[in-house]
Amino acid sequence: DAGVIQSPRHEVTEMGQEVTLRCKPISGHDYLFWYRQTMMRGLELLIYFNNNVPIDDSGMPEDRFSAKMPNASFSTLKIQPSEPRDSAVYFCASSRPSDYGYTFGSGTRLTVV
Amino acid sequence: DQQVKQNSPSLSVQEGRISILNCDYTNSMFDYFLWYKKYPAEGPTFLISISSIKDKNEDGRFTVFLNKSAKHLSLHIVPSQPGDSAVYFCAAGGLGNKLVFGAGTILRVKS
Repeated sequence: DAGVIQSPRHEVTEMGQEVTLRCKPISGHDYLFWYRQTMMRGLELLIYFNNNVPIDDSGMPEDRFSAKMPNASFSTLKIQPSEPRDSAVYFCASSRPSDYGYTFGSGTRLTVV
Repeated sequence: DQQVKQNSPSLSVQEGRISILNCDYTNSMFDYFLWYKKYPAEGPTFLISISSIKDKNEDGRFTVFLNKSAKHLSLHIVPSQPGDSAVYFCAAGGLGNKLVFGAGTILRVKS
C-alpha cells in the first residue's frame, strides 16, 4: 500500500499562473478530501468527494479554485489565476466509509510569488 | 466560526514530564474526536481517537480525555520524549463524513 500520493511536493509559480495539484488516493477508499494548511487557520477543508462525486465544496475560497475527480484513482485541485495569498500546504486525504479518520498524503507546498 | 479551537499555538516540555494539549469545540453534535500528529514535510498521521460516549481512551503513553459538558478534550503524553516534538491537531467528526480540524499546537520536548 503506497498510501495517498500527491504531486508535486513543491510548486513555485508566479502570480496569475495556473496551478494544478494532483492526488492519487488509496485504492478502495471511497472518500477523498482536499485540505489547506495555513498558520492562521490550521487545516481547512476545501472540498470532498464520495465515489468521485463532489459532496461539499463550501470550503473552496472562491471561483479561482476548482477540483475534479474523473475516476476513483485520481483527483486534481486547480487554481486559476493563482495569487500570493494562495501560498500554503495543500493536503489530500482519503478514507473508507467505516473509517474514523483519514490517511493523508505528504502535501504540496505551494508558493505564489 | 471555528468549531474546533486549539488556543495554545505552542507548548514546551522537558523530556520525561507530562505534555497536556487542549482542544475546545462548539458543536455538541460531534460524534467522535481524534488527534493527529504532524512532522515537518509530512502529512498528518492519526494518533488516537475517542467516541463521544466515552470520557477516556488510552493507548500506551497517549491518553485522550473528553469532558462533554465543557466541550473540551485533552491529550496527555506521559512520559514525553524528544520524538514527540511535532504539531498536534485536534479534529472532530460526525457531521457527515468530514473532519473539522483545529489550528494545531506545536509541541517541543526538550532533552
